[in-house]
Amino acid sequence: GAGVSQSPSNKVTEKGKDVELRCDPISGHTALYWYRQSLGQGLEFLIYFQGNSAPDKSGLPSDRFSAERTGGSVSTLTIQRTQQEDSAVYLCASSFQSGTATDTQYFGPGTRLTVL
Amino acid sequence: DAKTTQPTSMDCAEGRAANLPCNHSTISGNEYVYWYRQIHSQGPQYIIHGLKNNETNEMASLIITEDRKSSTLILPHATLRDTAVYYCIVGRGNQGGKLIFGQGTELSVKP
Repeated sequence: GAGVSQSPSNKVTEKGKDVELRCDPISGHTALYWYRQSLGQGLEFLIYFQGNSAPDKSGLPSDRFSAERTGGSVSTLTIQRTQQEDSAVYLCASSFQSGTATDTQYFGPGTRLTVL
Repeated sequence: DAKTTQPTSMDCAEGRAANLPCNHSTISGNEYVYWYRQIHSQGPQYIIHGLKNNETNEMASLIITEDRKSSTLILPHATLRDTAVYYCIVGRGNQGGKLIFGQGTELSVKP
């Protein structure tokens, strides 16, 4: 497809379980971002990958959150021992990091995570 | 913290121009102004960006004041499909990086 895709679209889990959320960026985009949006709240930055550089993890709320980006393409956001406050829509975005022009971020449709 | 201030909500009549203001008084010289919008239950969508000159594309116009401390996004002929939350964001353009979203302006276009 032409856009950013995310899976699953919805995920319901029990408190204490681990979850994995997947993001497929636009082909050729070297930068990938994860954000989350809690109910009625704005978007909160979580983590940013750019090429082979070390990721910017400054937005991860706790050490239960981690993310990987394999082969410079697909990314997985993992939440361990989920808590009810982790319930949110998790959004992935990618951009073509040209380095010389502004980089528009293209967002996926998000994964709605509900922790019971 | 977000570096921008926007009204919480605005209404606009269908077919009229929607003018969405944004204050960014602490913007620095190398920071751009970006506008994104989020239609209900969708991911954010890029609209337009600018540094200091006014910009126009097929979606909107962006007017930036000479001192760059504020800007206005203009949707020239608003339609019902333009109902969304509009986010004004400032950030560095040539190195990408995270977007710091504020609360945005909820625009309601009414028939």
